[in-house]
Amino acid sequence: GAVVSQHPSRVICKSGTSVKIECRSLDFQATTMFWYRQFPKQSLMLMATSNEGSKATYEQGVEKDKFLINHASLTLSTLTVTSAHPEDSSFYICSARPKTGFSGVNEQFFGPGTRLTVL
Amino acid sequence: GQNIDQPTEMTATEGAIVQINCTYQTSGFNGLFWYQQHAGEAPTFLSYNVLDGLEEKGRFSSFLSRSKGYSYLLLKELQMKDSASYLCAVRDYGGSQGNLIFGKGTKLSVKP
Repeated sequence: GAVVSQHPSRVICKSGTSVKIECRSLDFQATTMFWYRQFPKQSLMLMATSNEGSKATYEQGVEKDKFLINHASLTLSTLTVTSAHPEDSSFYICSARPKTGFSGVNEQFFGPGTRLTVL
Repeated sequence: GQNIDQPTEMTATEGAIVQINCTYQTSGFNGLFWYQQHAGEAPTFLSYNVLDGLEEKGRFSSFLSRSKGYSYLLLKELQMKDSASYLCAVRDYGGSQGNLIFGKGTKLSVKP
């Protein structure tokens, strides 16, 4: 159990276009989903926390108008990178926290990540 | 501020034991996690410590000293597949609730 999927796994786009990344919890309901970004040889940096049915909470320095997050249901959150630029090229990883039914020790389950390359 | 330090790289021999250290300074503390991450993949959970002491799980063990802000991950009987980055992360309720703050990771290379 506790599987999180991301789609797409890899995307290449032109500068100025928008890209949507989906994060789904496949076998559990997630009250909270987290979006991270990881640059090469760097740690995972939390971008935002999204709770189902409410606005996302963004970390300092993350532009909420550029990185649109929609937590539409208890199993789906989307991250849209608007007007992407080459500096947005990164590895984007989501994680999900189960609503109920888990021990609470490992509360976040990670998706496989999305590699975004902006040309 | 929030700071998590771990060595950048380590090398060890197949069959040996390796210890990866992590020190942290965070505004709050509600548990320390170790994750394994292979290149280009998402992290996978290895261990969790919230109380002082050693947690053992098969070939992997993790130790925590809250007073020293220190943890280590111990890997025994190293295998080639253990070559990966190992991330230390602290759960800190000081910021976003339940947020994990990650170190930069330690890249472990296991040699034959």
